[in-house]
Amino acid sequence: SQKIEQNSEALNIQEGKTATLTCNYTNYSPAYLQWYRQDPGRGPVFLLLIRENEKEKRKERLKVTFDTTLKQSLFHITASQPADSATYLCALDNDMRFGAGTRLTVKP
Amino acid sequence: EAQVTQNPRYLITVTGKKLTVTCSQNMNHEYMSWYRQDPGLGLRQIYYSMNVEVTDKGDVPEGYKVSRKEKRNFPLILESPSPNQTSLYFCASSWGPNQPQHFGDGTRLSIL
Repeated sequence: SQKIEQNSEALNIQEGKTATLTCNYTNYSPAYLQWYRQDPGRGPVFLLLIRENEKEKRKERLKVTFDTTLKQSLFHITASQPADSATYLCALDNDMRFGAGTRLTVKP
Repeated sequence: EAQVTQNPRYLITVTGKKLTVTCSQNMNHEYMSWYRQDPGLGLRQIYYSMNVEVTDKGDVPEGYKVSRKEKRNFPLILESPSPNQTSLYFCASSWGPNQPQHFGDGTRLSIL
């Protein structure tokens, strides 16, 4: 069956460290993958899109990788800050299927 | 300011009482969709619309209706709500089905 799995429901890290979130998928063949941020009581906000022929994409402190062989995307936030605390969702372009999200907490 | 506006933001109602959640976008997007978000299940698509008068079912359409008479509006209708439709609902719009989505701030529905 088709599945999108994000590594864990919650991830806690210390301020200044790099947060790494994982999105794994099975029985999909996405041409591209998107990452969103969702704050409590708000709708998801688009962050980054990476295509299958791009190994890596960066935007400020954010970095996304996409490995179609492993069927995995990694989302990194470097020099993390408490303001980065939120839930992060990955989405595949196959009819915009979303993972359940990982709730990141950055402790000062 | 580019935005997707949903109303109401919160609603508590009873089983069987028809309700409509409105959604409006000001970006001239052709593609609009509705999602529900439940703990542990993520966002699941209910219905989507590629353009005016063109709508189609998503993954969980049972118990819902939509219409797209104008480009900017995409209301979600629950003709006879049931408790299993208690959820957080999001409307989204974009230039196409697999393009970055702009989401509204959600409507929390409680069906008693």
